Amino acid sequence: GAVVSQHPSRVICKSGTSVKIECRSLDFQATTMFWYRQFPKQSLMLMATSNEGSKATYEQGVEKDKFLINHASLTLSTLTVTSAHPEDSSFYICSAPPQGLDTEAFFGQGTRLTVV
Amino acid sequence: GESVGLHLPTLSVQEGDNSIINCAYSNSASDYFIWYKQESGKGPQFIIDIRSNMDKRQGQRVTVLLNKTVKHLSLQIAATQPGDSAVYFCAETDGGSQGNLIFGKGTKLSVKP
Repeated sequence: GAVVSQHPSRVICKSGTSVKIECRSLDFQATTMFWYRQFPKQSLMLMATSNEGSKATYEQGVEKDKFLINHASLTLSTLTVTSAHPEDSSFYICSAPPQGLDTEAFFGQGTRLTVV
Repeated sequence: GESVGLHLPTLSVQEGDNSIINCAYSNSASDYFIWYKQESGKGPQFIIDIRSNMDKRQGQRVTVLLNKTVKHLSLQIAATQPGDSAVYFCAETDGGSQGNLIFGKGTKLSVKP
């Protein structure tokens, strides 16, 4: 079945540093990928829509200069949290609907980011 | 922005009983709905989906009911097992299977052995 791989699964970084999270579709192509953030005991909130070969679309209230998204190929999207602060600590999850298939989007396993 | 200080609604059931988890959605234009199961520290796991031209769909031990009149979605789990313990989210989109999903608040299901 279709698989979305997200890496790393856990990361701890110091305040002020940047962290890159990768989202790969392993056996299908995805022109669109979605990035979500989930705080403890809360639901998933859409942060941005990553579009292959073009700029990402950000949801209201999400800083595009802080959460850099790159979707350079049909199988890889990256989210870089720049100048991370403790309030950025969260669970980040990507999803990818298979291109050309009328089937549900597949989710990565998530990345637990802790900023200290 | 995100809500602060929320606790997930919890449904506690006895092993072997049926579970019903409810969800109210907001967008009357939504045409595709999915139920996800999320275990602690993991990404959402697809359970079952339904399109707006249907009002019921059955899977293995699970049934989803859609009431578009009142914008309500429910997930029924038959013969609930301890392995079903997790947080369950409904999600909606108006972009079909390719659209971005808007997630509901989630319900924590606890199954007592």
